[in-house]
Amino acid sequence: AQSVTQPDIHITVSEGASLELRCNYSYGATPYLFWYVQSPGQGLQLLLKYFSGDTLVQGIKGFEAEFKRSQSSFNLRKPSVHWSDAAEYFCAVGVDQAGTALIFGKGTTLSVSS
Amino acid sequence: EAGVAQSPRYKIIEKRQSVAFWCNPISGHATLYWYQQILGQGPKLLIQFQNNGVVDDSQLPKDRFSAERLKGVDSTLKIQPAKLEDSAVYLCASSFGSSYNEQFFGPGTRLTVL
Repeated sequence: AQSVTQPDIHITVSEGASLELRCNYSYGATPYLFWYVQSPGQGLQLLLKYFSGDTLVQGIKGFEAEFKRSQSSFNLRKPSVHWSDAAEYFCAVGVDQAGTALIFGKGTTLSVSS
Repeated sequence: EAGVAQSPRYKIIEKRQSVAFWCNPISGHATLYWYQQILGQGPKLLIQFQNNGVVDDSQLPKDRFSAERLKGVDSTLKIQPAKLEDSAVYLCASSFGSSYNEQFFGPGTRLTVL
């Protein structure tokens, strides 16, 4: 069955430091790949998505992600973290099943220290 | 443009009681999703509608959960009777069209079953 793994439950990064959040998926073909962010009390917001083409995709708020087929990974990166980036981050995949719903990982909580 | 609206934002009920959640998607969005997000986990699809037809309800516990989308716009998700394990945030999302597009999420309804 298709699945998404986010190995890190909680990460703490100093403000201004770089960030990488890991995401691995299990699927026979190339899925549609997404990263969402969820701030407390708010709905999920799309950061970026990968469907095909260039494996390095740029998103909002200075985030980028790289699709690596050989590693079945889609890691999220940001060169310099801001305090406002503290939130929960979810990796999700879309596979060609009956519908177009997403399969989400369990999420990574990002804390930013000053 | 107005986002996805959900109500109520919070609900506390006793087990075996019934509860209903309402969702108003973004205007013009044909696809509507209901996800269940249990604490510490990523969202999991319950049901997907395309206009007022069901596309995927394979993970909906049909003995207690029901959902409808009248006239292809607003949707209601009902639980009857509720169990303790139904405590979760219920997220509604909508997207334009039937292929993989950005899903816009509402703020969710946090349900606590005592």
